[in-house]
Amino acid sequence: SQKIEQNSEALNIQEGKTATLTCNYTNYSPAYLQWYRQDPGRGPVFLLLIRENEKEKRKERLKVTFDTTLKQSLFHITASQPADSATYLCALPNYGGSQGNLIFGKGTKLSVKP
Amino acid sequence: SQTIHQWPATLVQPVGSPLSLECTVEGTSNPNLYWYRQAAGRGLQLLFYSVGIGQISSEVPQNLSASRPQDRQFILSSKKLLLSDSGFYLCAWSVLTGGGYTFGSGTRLTVV
Repeated sequence: SQKIEQNSEALNIQEGKTATLTCNYTNYSPAYLQWYRQDPGRGPVFLLLIRENEKEKRKERLKVTFDTTLKQSLFHITASQPADSATYLCALPNYGGSQGNLIFGKGTKLSVKP
Repeated sequence: SQTIHQWPATLVQPVGSPLSLECTVEGTSNPNLYWYRQAAGRGLQLLFYSVGIGQISSEVPQNLSASRPQDRQFILSSKKLLLSDSGFYLCAWSVLTGGGYTFGSGTRLTVV
């Protein structure tokens, strides 16, 4: 069955550094991958979508890569700020995307210290 | 602009009592609608999704049910709650397959 792993439950970094979060998946080839941010007690907020034919995508201080050979996506936040502290979730389409549903990783909790 | 409303924000219910959580979307037509549950320390679990009025698909067998009586209304129900039903329930919508989801603010359900 499809499996998503975000291999760090928590990541602590210093303000101004680049945070790098990892999402690995097994047992299928998704057409796209998405990243979300979730603050405590709130619903996730969509950040970025990257398709299988895109190697990299950027949005302001965010950068996402998608390596379909390694079956891995990396999510980078450059010049991190304490306000970036949150849990970040990766999500992939269910059953290869034919039904449009998403399955989510458990998330990585990022803490940016001033 | 599109908005999603979900209520109530918190709910404490005794075991065996019924449940009804409501979600409505504004500013869009024919959205795909979803119910997810997030238990403590666990990821988001898809419970139900709907691509149209009266069309409900269940992902996880359980004592919950869902209904979509109107295009932009999605309801999660239970006739008798279990302790294991406790969690953070999130409604979401999307327009396109493969598009980002917009989540509601969630309902924190505690079954006692």
